[in-house]
Amino acid sequence: GAGVSQSPRYKVAKRGQDVALRCDPISGHVSLFWYQQALGQGPEFLTYFQNEAQLDKSGLPSDRFFAERPEGSVSTLKIQRTQQEDSAVYLCASSQVPANYGYTFGSGTRLTVV
Amino acid sequence: SQKIEQNSEALNIQEGKTATLTCNYTNYSPAYLQWYRQDPGRGPVFLLLIRENEKEKRKERLKVTFDTTLKQSLFHITASQPADSATYLCALDDMDSNYQLIWGAGTKLIIKP
Repeated sequence: GAGVSQSPRYKVAKRGQDVALRCDPISGHVSLFWYQQALGQGPEFLTYFQNEAQLDKSGLPSDRFFAERPEGSVSTLKIQRTQQEDSAVYLCASSQVPANYGYTFGSGTRLTVV
Repeated sequence: SQKIEQNSEALNIQEGKTATLTCNYTNYSPAYLQWYRQDPGRGPVFLLLIRENEKEKRKERLKVTFDTTLKQSLFHITASQPADSATYLCALDDMDSNYQLIWGAGTKLIIKP
């Protein structure tokens, strides 16, 4: 597609509920990143995929967070048993090569856990 | 660990003037630095990348400088317009990774007509 598409744009979850956030990157982009952004802060790295391989998941805050990209295109970030501290904007970015020429970000999913 | 500082206070500039934003970093010598623009409710949009061996880079009304001695990058918008109002983020490559970026918190720029 023309840009990185994320869905849903907004998600309200009750504490303890599981959520799934979708990212559709730019076609042909090898690298895909998930970031978490708190209000008034810069993005914080969560995980990195090169094609279907998850090369780095060091930023995932707990084992409740899980990401996949099974066919090397669309990616899903899943959060199990959501907690209030999970409330944030989750950003997806893709690039042709990692980090050398700038990332293209989606508009993000704003997750609110109540 | 790496640390990036951007002015947390909003910067108010009169339309037509040059806006200058600062990004300072410590504990690292990055190979490159990137600047992004972020509007409310949107993801960051890539503007410019400058490498460690480049002193200055320009793109239309934008100019970025990179002083590796001062560990500082300056981001300039000349002939500023109200449409330039946004939050501007700087990001550096992570010293332990060839793909991760470390981000500043951003500076909110307000251009007044």
